[in-house]
Amino acid sequence: DTAVSQTPKYLVTQMGNDKSIKCEQNLGHDTMYWYKQDSKKFLKIMFSYNNKELIINETVPNRFSPKSPDKAHLNLHINSLELGDSAVYFCASSQDGTLGRYNEQFFGPGTRLTVL
Amino acid sequence: RKEVEQDPGPFNVPEGATVAFNCTYSNSASQSFFWYRQDCRKEPKLLMSVYSSGNEDGRFTAQLNRASQYISLLIRDSKLSDSATYLCVVSVNYGGATNKLIFGTGTLLAVQP
Repeated sequence: DTAVSQTPKYLVTQMGNDKSIKCEQNLGHDTMYWYKQDSKKFLKIMFSYNNKELIINETVPNRFSPKSPDKAHLNLHINSLELGDSAVYFCASSQDGTLGRYNEQFFGPGTRLTVL
Repeated sequence: RKEVEQDPGPFNVPEGATVAFNCTYSNSASQSFFWYRQDCRKEPKLLMSVYSSGNEDGRFTAQLNRASQYISLLIRDSKLSDSATYLCVVSVNYGGATNKLIFGTGTLLAVQP
């Protein structure tokens, strides 16, 4: 059984397009995350939601908009895609990211986005 | 200066070798420390947490020196299957009771037959 799943796995699109990536976790976790891993393999957090509430919002362009319809899903919509958005986007989840202590984060397989 | 710094490698070692990775972090208020492993084109997975007293998990030993803001990972008797990128990770407070993970850029290990 897949714990954290993402769709699509690969996404190739033109500059200026709008695209969405979906993430689902079946671990019963309360907290979900979006990370971006760039071409230099640097993995950086973008957003985090706990029980559908935004709790982490790093400095990312407002073309990126996360949405959490319920605590098992966290989607990422990107408007007006740019070349620099090309990266691997990882979704992750943890039991509860608001407890002031670490919960192990489980990552999805990643979505490889290429903007042409 | 990066918040978490690692030697990118690659470290090319023969099977059976002992290899050590080091990492430094800049935020003295960092709260928790970890090593993650990331295989090529795969997601990161937690390898082990790192405690001040040092901790061991089979062939893997992790050490933390809070005074020097330094974390290490030692792998003994390297196996071909240990080939991967090892990510040094620290947890820092984001606000309130929320923490966030800061990842190093990783050290690539290639174990040769």
